[in-house]
Amino acid sequence: GQQLNQSPQSMFIQEGEDVSMNCTSSSIFNTWLWYKQEPGEGPVLLIALYKAGELTSNGRLTAQFGITRKDSFLNISASIPSDVGIYFCAGPLIKAAGNKLTFGGGTRVLVKP
Amino acid sequence: DVKVTQSSRYLVKRTGEKVFLECVQDMDHENMFWYRQDPGLGLRLIYFSYDVKMKEKGDIPEGYSVSREKKERFSLILESASTNQTSMYLCASSPGVGLNEKLFFGSGTQLSVL
Repeated sequence: GQQLNQSPQSMFIQEGEDVSMNCTSSSIFNTWLWYKQEPGEGPVLLIALYKAGELTSNGRLTAQFGITRKDSFLNISASIPSDVGIYFCAGPLIKAAGNKLTFGGGTRVLVKP
Repeated sequence: DVKVTQSSRYLVKRTGEKVFLECVQDMDHENMFWYRQDPGLGLRLIYFSYDVKMKEKGDIPEGYSVSREKKERFSLILESASTNQTSMYLCASSPGVGLNEKLFFGSGTQLSVL
């Protein structure tokens, strides 16, 4: 089953709004990653988090590594139309060979009509 | 900039056909990966490779095989395509050994099996 659960599955944004999404797991992660996939493209790494409690920004995006190491949050401030896409959380499962990444199901961000 | 190129953007194949998906990266990366992307399921790892001629199974290898004869090229093979293999296929590469967070993805191949 899915190791990383993302919420919400989809959301509508209005220009100027702040939006949040999260990612949770029953397993502990030592690294949390956030990727964005724009329509017709592959995912691109936005932010990497390496320490519990860490808060890291990339422009209008801010991500946090949860204290329990079982969750992470991504916030987009003052959203703009080009924020549309699918946002994935990911992390290397400690028990997985070669630290290969596990991805969440994604949060699809759409613009309100 | 790293470039990961997938040979086809769209492919339509028939059930039972043998299908080859090709991926080339131009940054001398050690590691290459094949994922499939399905709505609500995120990206699931099919196979990966840490070196030439080396391959390891990911989470969903059944019905697939891979080939890495040269460092820059990683091929995904569907031996006998089935309708449940209709999906978006993403190739990725990353430098070095160890944590693979710096994955660079290609634009994907949307495969339809009829």
